[in-house]
Amino acid sequence: AQKITQTQPGMFVQEKEAVTLDCTYDTSDQSYGLFWYKQPSSGEMIFLIYQGSYDEQNATEGRYSLNFQKARKSTNLVISASQLGDSAMYFCAMRLSMDSSYKLIFGSGTRLLVRP
Amino acid sequence: NAGVTQTPKFQVLKTGQSMTLQCAQDMNHEYMSWYRQDPGMGLRLIHYSVGAGITDQGEVPNGYNVSRSTTEDFPLRLLSAAPSQTSVYFCASSRDRGRLITSGANVLTFGAGSRLTVL
Repeated sequence: AQKITQTQPGMFVQEKEAVTLDCTYDTSDQSYGLFWYKQPSSGEMIFLIYQGSYDEQNATEGRYSLNFQKARKSTNLVISASQLGDSAMYFCAMRLSMDSSYKLIFGSGTRLLVRP
Repeated sequence: NAGVTQTPKFQVLKTGQSMTLQCAQDMNHEYMSWYRQDPGMGLRLIHYSVGAGITDQGEVPNGYNVSRSTTEDFPLRLLSAAPSQTSVYFCASSRDRGRLITSGANVLTFGAGSRLTVL
């Protein structure tokens, strides 16, 4: 079954420290995209970072980077130098080429709280 | 660029009423979709479109209709609202219609969401 698993329902991090949010995925498809979205308390879904299944380099976008381990089917999000504004819900998601609807399959999310 | 624009942001309906959630994107994206987000269930796909004139059902299509007469607009219609349709609705679009699943062209951009309550 195609599935995204986020095992950390909630996490705390001290401001200015780095934090890693875990995500594993399950698919037999060879062609897929992996995404991370941030959902602050205001409710919008903000795209953070993307990794394609054939990308050999780990994706980076500013303070966000991915630790993509294809053999282990994991794509952990690293947020460096945490800021108070990083407090939000974070969703890992996947799109599959074998799915004709190309829907995003979401994990259950991790709620991150940044402490001052 | 405005990105993906959804209206209204909030709506309260009575059971049996109908309404349309509007979605428009100005990025010339081929793919558009509607999701609903319920507590404890994550986001689920309602309907999607890979281009003007083409729509198809997602995971939870019952009670909803869509149309795509232009590339820009993808309205979601609730035919006869039920309390089970109380949810937050998101419209999302991507430049690619699914042919470039391993490229950044398939990143989904979301609208701000529409919170619907059915009494």
